[in-house]
Amino acid sequence: EAQVTQNPRYLITVTGKKLTVTCSQNMNHEYMSWYRQDPGLGLRQIYYSMNVEVTDKGDVPEGYKVSRKEKRNFPLILESPSPNQTSLYFCASSSPSGRYEQYFGPGTRLTVT
Amino acid sequence: QKEVEQNSGPLSVPEGAIASLNCTYSDRGSQSFFWYRQYSGKSPELIMSIYSNGDKEDGRFTAQLNKASQYVSLLIRDSQPSDSATYLCAVMGWNFNKFYFGSGTKLNVKP
Repeated sequence: EAQVTQNPRYLITVTGKKLTVTCSQNMNHEYMSWYRQDPGLGLRQIYYSMNVEVTDKGDVPEGYKVSRKEKRNFPLILESPSPNQTSLYFCASSSPSGRYEQYFGPGTRLTVT
Repeated sequence: QKEVEQNSGPLSVPEGAIASLNCTYSDRGSQSFFWYRQYSGKSPELIMSIYSNGDKEDGRFTAQLNKASQYVSLLIRDSQPSDSATYLCAVMGWNFNKFYFGSGTKLNVKP
């Protein structure tokens, strides 16, 4: 089954404790992206990757890091989480051959206290 | 100014009616446009994509694009209660890298 998986699905952590949210896709997609969704603000792009070892900032990259060492994986790293990073996070993937129609993972609800 | 603007709603329509959802975007060079549906607590799922001016139909859904007016719309015919969700308009930047989403329009279809 074609899918995007994210782990963990729910996470409660404390300020400053480094964490990683994993994202993996099995569709051989070149393009992967991370979003955060906050009430009233919609989905905002954090980082995206056009292919392996190619990443770039989206609209809200502050406080986040990413890496793309393998085509299927695109982890999101919060090195020193703060309460304003409490949000619902989605990973998505797509392909130029699929005209960039994105498939989303199930989401990770992160709470930073 | 936001890159993509949508009326937050809620938009309420009776079952069987046509629901009309609208979206405007600011980047005149944008080439790719998408409509996603998101049920509460779930991830967005793609409904329609449109890339050229005019209408594109898929079942009960019709997407309309007017690049001169920087306007995208989604029509849902014969609306069903199961269509009740938030509809997100998304635009891909002119150089096929960034995505911009509207904040979504909440649709309620009343039985």
